[in-house]
Amino acid sequence: DGGITQSPKYLFRKEGQNVTLSCEQNLNHDAMYWYRQDPGQGLRLIYYSQIVNDFQKGDIAEGYSVSREKKESFPLTVTSAQKNPTAFYLCATAPGTNYGYTFGSGTRLTVV
Amino acid sequence: AQSVAQPEDQVNVAEGNPLTVKCTYSVSGNPYLFWYVQYPNRGLRFLLKYITGDNLVKGSYGFEAEFNKSQTSFHLKKPSALVSDSALYFCAVIFSGGYNKLIFGAGTRLAVHP
Repeated sequence: DGGITQSPKYLFRKEGQNVTLSCEQNLNHDAMYWYRQDPGQGLRLIYYSQIVNDFQKGDIAEGYSVSREKKESFPLTVTSAQKNPTAFYLCATAPGTNYGYTFGSGTRLTVV
Repeated sequence: AQSVAQPEDQVNVAEGNPLTVKCTYSVSGNPYLFWYVQYPNRGLRFLLKYITGDNLVKGSYGFEAEFNKSQTSFHLKKPSALVSDSALYFCAVIFSGGYNKLIFGAGTRLAVHP
């Protein structure tokens, strides 16, 4: 997991709240990604960014938002519009095209 | 459509026996294939990748994978399993759509019994 820091490790959200998950990297990688992991469903792409100040929606972007103001940082906001946010969220980075990813250690979000 | 399939939800093997975790893929063009491992409440850890070259790829922790173009498979193997290999394994392929998007299989849980 080295080089990518996700915080917090555990996060609890009340109904109707927005919460922001942090992802910081010191690998100098251009591309950053957010995935959601649910049991039995593998990983699903939420958002990705290939360069600073640019990002694209993944397969399940509804109810989420991101920003990429710095190369090192790619925070994910889970908004109240996301009806089922309880999941394990993984941030990843890659140095360029056709490279595999390096993953952070994840944030487990639970709605209470 | 580009996809990855891991046909087994769980694989059980006795410690010391060889293990195989299966993966098949469907992509247009040349595939870039990866295996990752995940331990509970942790991120994914890279094991190995196939880009080009030898069909047998050697990776971390004694794992290897065999690329078979005719069968569109990329099975993960290890000659002698350890209890500590018990984890969730993901096969992935790069989506050749102009950006570096990895498509993951659903994962296979490997249980190695003493």
